[in-house]
Amino acid sequence: IAGITQAPTSQILAAGRRMTLRCTQDMRHNAMYWYRQDLGLGLRLIHYSNTAGTTGKGEVPDGYSVSRANTDDFPLTLASAVPSQTSVYFCASSEAASTGANVLTFGAGSRLTVL
Amino acid sequence: GQNIDQPTEMTATEGAIVQINCTYQTSGFNGLFWYQQHAGEAPTFLSYNVLDGLEEKGRFSSFLSRSKGYSYLLLKELQMKDSASYLCAVGDSNYQLIWGAGTKLIIKP
Repeated sequence: IAGITQAPTSQILAAGRRMTLRCTQDMRHNAMYWYRQDLGLGLRLIHYSNTAGTTGKGEVPDGYSVSRANTDDFPLTLASAVPSQTSVYFCASSEAASTGANVLTFGAGSRLTVL
Repeated sequence: GQNIDQPTEMTATEGAIVQINCTYQTSGFNGLFWYQQHAGEAPTFLSYNVLDGLEEKGRFSSFLSRSKGYSYLLLKELQMKDSASYLCAVGDSNYQLIWGAGTKLIIKP
């Protein structure tokens, strides 16, 4: 089934540990995104990639890094997790970032708790 | 700054009609999107408006007024499965989506 796969589904992590959230899509979409969703707030963009080999910073990039070595994979790394990074993380993709009809397809989400 | 406002929560009755409003102030405009998100699940795309007017898709319709910075999502013949959060998002000048906090819709029998 075409779509986006995220892993892990959920994780409890000690503060200070390094963590990588994985995201893979099989739709050959050019653009990929990482969002975090917190109660009472809208989805906030962490990092994005308009095409393989390029990445950009979103609204809340501090403490996170990404890479886009190929079209399909877009991992998100927390170098040293802090409790404020407790959130639900969604990976998303779209055919292109530079068109108005930029419809996003989302992964199922990764629930991360940092203690 | 950029801002998307929508009501936090609404309640409606099964079989009725409900209108969820969204107002926005963004740097640039490249379309307005509505997504549905059931509790514990990912958002899924509902509708897209780039020109003023009404877009109808089955029981769901979405309206846009660019001059007023205003949109609404209209849900007709409400069903229990429509209980979800509805997210309004606007494409800014860089085509990145700015998201509202979402409206939780509760459907009562």
